[in-house]
Amino acid sequence: DQQVKQNSPSLSVQEGRISILNCDYTNSMFDYFLWYKKYPAEGPTFLISISSIKDKNEDGRFTVFLNKSAKHLSLHIVPSQPGDSAVYFCAGDSNSGYALNFGKGTSLLVTP
Amino acid sequence: DAGVIQSPRHEVTEMGQEVTLRCKPISGHDYLFWYRQTMMRGLELLIYFNNNVPIDDSGMPEDRFSAKMPNASFSTLKIQPSEPRDSAVYFCASSSDRDEKLFFGSGTQLSVL
Repeated sequence: DQQVKQNSPSLSVQEGRISILNCDYTNSMFDYFLWYKKYPAEGPTFLISISSIKDKNEDGRFTVFLNKSAKHLSLHIVPSQPGDSAVYFCAGDSNSGYALNFGKGTSLLVTP
Repeated sequence: DAGVIQSPRHEVTEMGQEVTLRCKPISGHDYLFWYRQTMMRGLELLIYFNNNVPIDDSGMPEDRFSAKMPNASFSTLKIQPSEPRDSAVYFCASSSDRDEKLFFGSGTQLSVL
């Protein structure tokens, strides 16, 4: 059973515009969330994270928003660049374990 | 550090053959994870180890799958016998006790014909 859901398999955005990637989760025990970025033929790499005690975390062009009541988080990329084209995975983590639960990923294409 | 190292990068085998995937975690990391990526299920956890001891193997699909970690710097994932539905990218990842971030290897692309 998928505890982390990324319902948009793909997203296409023009360079310079905002990219918004969404993620929903079902496990109320999750207290830490991470976004990973994956290029073809490479492993996922850590991008940004947020603790459940916060509702926003920002790192340069990347901002993650967390809405605990809705069990929803989103990743905003502003401005989007062609190099941001990749698959983005959302993951949840709970104190009861050390393994991350990942969504299926959203493939982002940023066009010039 | 060279990061998490996986081998082979690509493996093509015939149904029924034994397949062994290898992983060297980042030195000093206490946790090692095996994930599988497919289009249908995304990134799913197969098994993870803490200090070389398997902690949770509930994600291992069947008895055909087995994983070992004989020491802190080496782990294997074995599939015997392999089946076409095992075709996927298999990732190894490691982390330290003080950091919830996982560091992934480049993966092994497995094709079972």
